[in-house]
Amino acid sequence: KAGVTQTPRYLIKTRGQQVTLSCSPISGHRSVSWYQQTPGQGLQFLFEYFSETQRNKGNFPGRFSGRQFSNSRSEMNVSTLELGDSALYLCASTRDRGIGEQYFGPGTRLTVT
Amino acid sequence: GQQLNQSPQSMFIQEGEDVSMNCTSSSIFNTWLWYKQDPGEGPVLLIALYKAGELTSNGRLTAQFGITRKDSFLNISASIPSDVGIYFCAGQKGGNQGGKLIFGQGTELSVKP
Repeated sequence: KAGVTQTPRYLIKTRGQQVTLSCSPISGHRSVSWYQQTPGQGLQFLFEYFSETQRNKGNFPGRFSGRQFSNSRSEMNVSTLELGDSALYLCASTRDRGIGEQYFGPGTRLTVT
Repeated sequence: GQQLNQSPQSMFIQEGEDVSMNCTSSSIFNTWLWYKQDPGEGPVLLIALYKAGELTSNGRLTAQFGITRKDSFLNISASIPSDVGIYFCAGQKGGNQGGKLIFGQGTELSVKP
C-alpha cells in the first residue's frame, strides 16, 4: 500500500509570495493533519481535516490555511510568506477522526528568501 | 506551543548497547506514539500505546505507557548503526483536540560501530 505522498518536496519562495502544498493520504485514510517542523520550535501542529472539514487548528496566524477534498487529499496554503515560515511541512494521515496512529509523508521543505 | 519534556536530548553509544529515553508531561494523554526521523525525511511510526501501563514491543524496541498517563519511555536493545536518527515521543489527548499530536523535542541517537 502506498504511503503518504507530498508535493513538491522542495520549494523556494520570496517574502510576500504565497505557496500551496499538497498531500495525498494513505488509501482508505480519511483524516489528514499538517505539522510545521523547525529547529527552534520543533514539530508544531497546524490543523486537522476530516470529511472535508477543519476539525482542529493549532496556534498559527490566519495566513496559514488548508482544505480537504472529497477524495481525502489535502492542501495547505501560506499567504504573504515571511522568512520565519521556512520549515519542513509535514502531512500525516489517520484512518479515522481523532485518536489513532498517524503516518507521516516525507514533507515539503520550504525556504523563504 | 506546548511540548513534551523528552530526555536525553542526545546520546552517544557503542554498538550493542541498550538505550533508554523518556517523555514526561504535566497533563494526561490518552495515546503515546514513538517516531524515528532520518535527515530530510518524515517521522516513521515505531510504536503506538493506547492504555495506561501498556508495554509494547516492536523487534528490539519496547515502549511503555506510564500508569499516571503523563509519561512514556522507549528502550532500544542491542543498538546497531541503523538505529542512528532522531527519536520523538508524541501524545494525543483526543476529545475536542481530536488527533492533534504534541511532540517532545527529540532525542538524537548516535551509534559508534
